[in-house]
Amino acid sequence: GAGVSQSPSNKVTEKGKDVELRCDPISGHTALYWYRQSLGQGLEFLIYFQGNSAPDKSGLPSDRFSAERTGGSVSTLTIQRTQQEDSAVYLCASSPWDGNSPLHFGNGTRLTVT
Amino acid sequence: QKEVEQDPGPLSVPEGAIVSLNCTYSNSAFQYFMWYRQYSRKGPELLMYTYSSGNKEDGRFTAQVDKSSKYISLFIRDSQPSDSATYLCAMTLLSGNTPLVFGKGTRLSVIA
Repeated sequence: GAGVSQSPSNKVTEKGKDVELRCDPISGHTALYWYRQSLGQGLEFLIYFQGNSAPDKSGLPSDRFSAERTGGSVSTLTIQRTQQEDSAVYLCASSPWDGNSPLHFGNGTRLTVT
Repeated sequence: QKEVEQDPGPLSVPEGAIVSLNCTYSNSAFQYFMWYRQYSRKGPELLMYTYSSGNKEDGRFTAQVDKSSKYISLFIRDSQPSDSATYLCAMTLLSGNTPLVFGKGTRLSVIA
Protein backbone atom coordinates (compact mmCIF):
# COMPACT_ATOMS: atom_id res chain seq x y z
CA GLY A 1 0.00 0.00 0.00
CA ALA A 2 0.94 3.67 -0.09
CA GLY A 3 3.47 4.91 2.41
CA VAL A 4 3.59 8.17 4.34
CA SER A 5 3.30 11.08 1.93
CA GLN A 6 4.68 14.53 2.63
CA SER A 7 4.29 17.74 0.65
CA PRO A 8 5.90 19.80 -0.58
CA SER A 9 9.15 17.87 -0.94
CA ASN A 10 11.09 21.14 -1.03
CA LYS A 11 10.16 24.60 0.22
CA VAL A 12 12.18 27.80 -0.01
CA THR A 13 10.80 30.75 1.90
CA GLU A 14 11.92 34.17 3.01
CA LYS A 15 12.67 34.89 6.62
CA GLY A 16 9.56 36.08 8.42
CA LYS A 17 7.05 34.24 6.21
CA ASP A 18 4.75 31.48 7.45
CA VAL A 19 4.94 27.96 6.01
CA GLU A 20 2.66 24.92 6.14
CA LEU A 21 3.95 21.39 5.74
CA ARG A 22 1.57 18.53 5.09
CA CYS A 23 1.65 14.86 6.04
CA ASP A 24 -0.64 12.06 4.84
CA PRO A 25 -0.05 9.04 7.09
CA ILE A 26 -0.57 5.43 6.13
CA SER A 27 -4.28 4.63 6.12
CA GLY A 28 -5.38 3.19 9.45
CA HIS A 29 -2.37 4.41 11.40
CA THR A 30 -3.57 6.22 14.49
CA ALA A 31 -0.21 7.52 15.72
CA LEU A 32 1.52 10.38 13.88
CA TYR A 33 4.83 12.05 14.66
CA TRP A 34 6.75 15.05 13.41
CA TYR A 35 10.54 15.12 13.64
CA ARG A 36 13.09 17.66 12.46
CA GLN A 37 16.44 16.64 11.00
CA SER A 38 19.14 19.27 10.84
CA LEU A 39 22.60 18.76 9.40
CA GLY A 40 24.75 17.02 11.98
CA GLN A 41 21.99 17.09 14.60
CA GLY A 42 20.08 13.87 14.07
CA LEU A 43 16.33 13.57 14.41
CA GLU A 44 14.68 15.91 16.90
CA PHE A 45 11.17 15.01 18.12
CA LEU A 46 8.63 17.81 17.68
CA ILE A 47 5.08 16.58 18.29
CA TYR A 48 3.06 13.36 18.56
CA PHE A 49 -0.63 12.66 17.90
CA GLN A 50 -2.39 9.52 19.08
CA GLY A 51 -6.02 9.03 18.13
CA ASN A 52 -8.29 11.56 19.82
CA SER A 53 -5.92 12.19 22.72
CA ALA A 54 -4.34 15.59 23.31
CA PRO A 55 -1.10 15.79 21.34
CA ASP A 56 2.30 15.60 23.02
CA LYS A 57 3.79 18.97 22.10
CA SER A 58 6.80 18.68 24.37
CA GLY A 59 9.30 18.81 21.49
CA LEU A 60 8.12 21.99 19.79
CA PRO A 61 11.06 24.44 19.96
CA SER A 62 9.01 27.65 20.21
CA ASP A 63 5.48 29.01 20.03
CA ARG A 64 6.08 29.77 16.35
CA PHE A 65 5.59 26.05 15.74
CA SER A 66 2.16 24.42 15.79
CA ALA A 67 0.54 21.34 14.33
CA GLU A 68 -2.90 19.94 13.90
CA ARG A 69 -4.36 16.68 12.76
CA THR A 70 -7.77 16.73 11.14
CA GLY A 71 -10.11 13.77 11.27
CA GLY A 72 -7.43 11.58 12.75
CA SER A 73 -5.60 11.47 9.43
CA VAL A 74 -3.85 14.33 7.62
CA SER A 75 -1.56 16.55 9.68
CA THR A 76 -0.24 20.04 9.02
CA LEU A 77 2.85 21.50 10.69
CA THR A 78 2.86 25.30 10.64
CA ILE A 79 5.88 27.49 11.26
CA GLN A 80 5.11 31.16 11.71
CA ARG A 81 7.59 34.00 11.12
CA THR A 82 10.25 31.58 9.88
CA GLN A 83 13.87 32.07 10.92
CA GLN A 84 17.03 30.85 9.21
CA GLU A 85 17.60 28.35 12.02
CA ASP A 86 14.31 26.68 11.02
CA SER A 87 16.01 25.39 7.87
CA ALA A 88 15.97 21.60 8.13
CA VAL A 89 14.24 18.50 6.82
CA TYR A 90 10.88 17.98 8.49
CA LEU A 91 9.96 14.30 8.69
CA CYS A 92 6.56 12.83 9.42
CA ALA A 93 6.06 9.25 10.61
CA SER A 94 3.02 7.13 11.41
CA SER A 95 2.41 3.92 13.29
CA PRO A 96 -0.57 1.69 14.06
CA TRP A 97 -1.71 1.57 17.66
CA ASP A 98 -0.67 -1.98 18.46
CA GLY A 99 2.25 -1.38 20.76
CA ASN A 100 4.87 -3.20 18.73
CA SER A 101 5.04 -1.57 15.35
CA PRO A 102 7.88 0.67 14.27
CA LEU A 103 7.54 4.11 12.78
CA HIS A 104 7.07 4.47 9.04
CA PHE A 105 8.63 7.68 7.77
CA GLY A 106 7.85 9.85 4.80
CA ASN A 107 10.66 11.33 2.71
CA GLY A 108 10.37 14.68 4.41
CA THR A 109 10.02 18.31 3.42
CA ARG A 110 13.33 20.14 2.96
CA LEU A 111 12.76 23.67 4.23
CA THR A 112 15.19 26.44 3.38
CA VAL A 113 14.70 29.86 4.94
CA THR A 114 16.62 32.61 3.12
CA GLN B 1 25.40 14.46 28.11
CA LYS B 2 23.16 13.55 25.19
CA GLU B 3 20.70 10.75 25.82
CA VAL B 4 22.02 8.81 22.82
CA GLU B 5 25.55 9.12 21.48
CA GLN B 6 26.53 7.90 18.04
CA ASP B 7 29.75 8.51 16.14
CA PRO B 8 28.76 10.40 12.99
CA GLY B 9 31.62 9.00 10.91
CA PRO B 10 31.94 9.07 7.99
CA LEU B 11 32.96 5.44 7.87
CA SER B 12 34.42 4.07 4.64
CA VAL B 13 34.98 0.33 4.11
CA PRO B 14 35.77 -1.93 1.15
CA GLU B 15 33.08 -4.15 -0.29
CA GLY B 16 32.83 -7.43 1.61
CA ALA B 17 34.03 -5.99 4.92
CA ILE B 18 32.27 -6.49 8.23
CA VAL B 19 30.90 -3.20 9.50
CA SER B 20 30.31 -2.41 13.15
CA LEU B 21 28.11 0.54 14.10
CA ASN B 22 27.54 1.51 17.71
CA CYS B 23 25.53 3.70 20.05
CA THR B 24 25.73 4.39 23.74
CA TYR B 25 22.92 5.76 25.85
CA SER B 26 22.46 7.19 29.31
CA ASN B 27 18.86 6.29 30.24
CA SER B 28 18.83 2.80 31.73
CA ALA B 29 15.02 2.71 31.35
CA PHE B 30 15.21 2.35 27.56
CA GLN B 31 13.84 -1.06 26.61
CA TYR B 32 13.25 -1.05 22.85
CA PHE B 33 16.09 -0.52 20.43
CA MET B 34 15.99 0.05 16.70
CA TRP B 35 18.30 0.65 13.79
CA TYR B 36 17.11 2.71 10.84
CA ARG B 37 18.80 3.13 7.48
CA GLN B 38 18.46 6.41 5.63
CA TYR B 39 19.46 6.92 2.02
CA SER B 40 20.18 10.40 0.76
CA ARG B 41 17.03 12.55 0.47
CA LYS B 42 14.83 9.71 1.75
CA GLY B 43 13.12 9.05 5.05
CA PRO B 44 14.58 6.57 7.55
CA GLU B 45 13.48 2.95 7.09
CA LEU B 46 13.49 0.34 9.83
CA LEU B 47 16.24 -2.29 9.65
CA MET B 48 16.20 -4.02 13.03
CA TYR B 49 14.02 -3.92 16.14
CA THR B 50 15.03 -5.56 19.42
CA TYR B 51 13.70 -5.69 22.94
CA SER B 52 16.01 -5.68 25.96
CA SER B 53 19.41 -7.37 25.87
CA GLY B 54 20.61 -9.97 23.42
CA ASN B 55 21.24 -10.53 19.74
CA LYS B 56 18.95 -10.55 16.74
CA GLU B 57 19.96 -11.64 13.28
CA ASP B 58 18.31 -10.88 9.95
CA GLY B 59 20.24 -11.92 6.87
CA ARG B 60 23.52 -9.98 6.78
CA PHE B 61 22.49 -7.78 9.70
CA THR B 62 22.91 -8.51 13.41
CA ALA B 63 21.72 -6.22 16.18
CA GLN B 64 23.22 -6.54 19.62
CA VAL B 65 22.03 -4.94 22.86
CA ASP B 66 24.02 -4.84 26.09
CA LYS B 67 21.83 -3.11 28.65
CA SER B 68 24.38 -3.52 31.43
CA SER B 69 26.81 -1.39 29.44
CA LYS B 70 24.11 0.78 27.82
CA TYR B 71 25.59 -0.07 24.46
CA ILE B 72 24.01 -1.26 21.22
CA SER B 73 25.60 -2.41 17.99
CA LEU B 74 24.67 -3.18 14.42
CA PHE B 75 26.90 -5.53 12.44
CA ILE B 76 26.74 -5.77 8.67
CA ARG B 77 28.41 -8.81 7.13
CA ASP B 78 29.63 -8.97 3.54
CA SER B 79 28.93 -5.27 3.09
CA GLN B 80 27.75 -4.11 -0.34
CA PRO B 81 27.87 -0.72 -2.07
CA SER B 82 24.07 -0.66 -1.70
CA ASP B 83 24.59 -0.54 2.07
CA SER B 84 26.05 2.95 1.69
CA ALA B 85 23.69 5.13 3.73
CA THR B 86 23.33 6.81 7.09
CA TYR B 87 22.50 4.43 9.95
CA LEU B 88 20.53 5.79 12.87
CA CYS B 89 20.07 4.08 16.19
CA ALA B 90 16.85 4.79 18.09
CA MET B 91 15.38 3.75 21.38
CA THR B 92 12.34 4.22 23.56
CA LEU B 93 10.97 3.41 26.97
CA LEU B 94 7.87 1.65 25.69
CA SER B 95 7.11 -0.30 22.57
CA GLY B 96 5.75 1.73 19.68
CA ASN B 97 3.65 4.87 19.83
CA THR B 98 6.01 6.82 22.05
CA PRO B 99 8.56 9.25 20.70
CA LEU B 100 11.79 7.56 19.72
CA VAL B 101 15.08 9.10 20.78
CA PHE B 102 17.56 8.99 17.91
CA GLY B 103 21.31 9.07 17.64
CA LYS B 104 22.80 11.53 15.15
CA GLY B 105 23.48 8.77 12.63
CA THR B 106 26.66 7.27 11.17
CA ARG B 107 27.34 7.80 7.49
CA LEU B 108 28.66 4.64 5.87
CA SER B 109 30.28 4.29 2.46
CA VAL B 110 31.02 0.83 1.05
CA ILE B 111 33.54 1.09 -1.75
CA ALA B 112 33.39 -1.43 -4.63
